[in-house]
Amino acid sequence: AQSVSQHNHHVILSEAASLELGCNYSYGGTVNLFWYVQYPGQHLQLLLKYFSGDPLVKGIKGFEAEFIKSKFSFNLRKPSVQWSDTAEYFCAVNEGNNQGGKLIFGQGTELSVKP
Amino acid sequence: GAVVSQHPSWVICKSGTSVKIECRSLDFQATTMFWYRQFPKQSLMLMATSNEGSKATYEQGVEKDKFLINHASLTLSTLTVTSAHPEDSSFYICSATTGGGYGYTFGSGTRLTVV
Repeated sequence: AQSVSQHNHHVILSEAASLELGCNYSYGGTVNLFWYVQYPGQHLQLLLKYFSGDPLVKGIKGFEAEFIKSKFSFNLRKPSVQWSDTAEYFCAVNEGNNQGGKLIFGQGTELSVKP
Repeated sequence: GAVVSQHPSWVICKSGTSVKIECRSLDFQATTMFWYRQFPKQSLMLMATSNEGSKATYEQGVEKDKFLINHASLTLSTLTVTSAHPEDSSFYICSATTGGGYGYTFGSGTRLTVV
């Protein structure tokens, strides 16, 4: 069965610091990969997704992620975080041959950005 | 953009009663809807997948007789928590997709508290 692992439970950064959140998955086949953000009291919003093509994916709000197939990883990055990036971040995976299939989520990473 | 409306946003009920949560896709037809449960500071755990007009597929460990899911139309799915108990208190989130790479749209969630 698929599983998704996010290694960082809680990350605390100062504004303007660079961010990298780890995400690893276990599934041997083709996958689709997603990063979602959940601001306090709000619903999940899609930051970016990877289906195929260029493994470096650009998302909204200056976020990007790189799919490294050999490492089963899809780490999220942002060069310079802002206080408004404070939120919970979730990595998610589904099977690549069924793009409407069920999403499996990682444990989530809480990001706190200090002004 | 795609919008999913989830109602109610919060509900308090007495132990032993049943609660129904609605999930509507407002501007698209959702071939598949998913129901998740999220505990505080934890990830989204998939409970079941429902396709319009067919029985829901439940994840291992989820009691189908306790969490009744109905997906009677392409825009509406309901989750009924039957004979609720305090341990059912949680945050329930629905997600809808049309498949085909369109992606997933999440509802804003329902906070259920059973007293």
